[in-house]
Amino acid sequence: EAQVTQNPRYLITVTGKKLTVTCSQNMNHEYMSWYRQDPGLGLRQIYYSMNVEVTDKGDVPEGYKVSRKEKRNFPLILESPSPNQTSLYFCASSPWGMDGNQPQHFGDGTRLSIL
Amino acid sequence: KQEVTQIPAALSVPEGENLVLNCSFTDSAIYNLQWFRQDPGKGLTSLLLIQSSQREQTSGRLNASLDKSSGRSTLYIAASQPGDSATYLCAVNTGTASKLTFGTGTRLQVTL
Repeated sequence: EAQVTQNPRYLITVTGKKLTVTCSQNMNHEYMSWYRQDPGLGLRQIYYSMNVEVTDKGDVPEGYKVSRKEKRNFPLILESPSPNQTSLYFCASSPWGMDGNQPQHFGDGTRLSIL
Repeated sequence: KQEVTQIPAALSVPEGENLVLNCSFTDSAIYNLQWFRQDPGKGLTSLLLIQSSQREQTSGRLNASLDKSSGRSTLYIAASQPGDSATYLCAVNTGTASKLTFGTGTRLQVTL
């Protein structure tokens, strides 16, 4: 089954304790992206990757890191989490193409609470 | 900067009613527009994608239209069912690194 898998689904942690949210896709997609969803603000892009070893900032990259060492994986790293990073996080993937016909597939989300 | 607005923010209709959800965007230079469904505690499910060259797309009881020049899209749901209750999100792809810019959604409740 084609899917985007995020782990963990839920996490409660404390300020400053480094954490990693993993994202894996089994569709051989080139493009992967991370979004956060906050009430009243909708989904906003954090980082994206157009292929292995190619990453770039989205709209709200502060406090986050990513890496793309393999095509299927795109982990989101919070080196020193703060309470304002409490949010619902989504990973997405799609084939890379600029022809306008590439729907993005989303994972089920990771709910992070930073105390 | 692209901005996407969805009206209404919430909608409650009786089962069987046809309904329209609205989405507007400020920059008409888009590659495509995608409608998603989000259920509580779940991820986003892609419903329909309309390319910039298309006017509409249909899938079952769903029909999405796109008027790029006026910056508007509508999602039409025919014969609504309680299982349609969810939040519906509209997102536009401006082609800049495939970034999707989302609206804040319309929360739909279909009552028996």
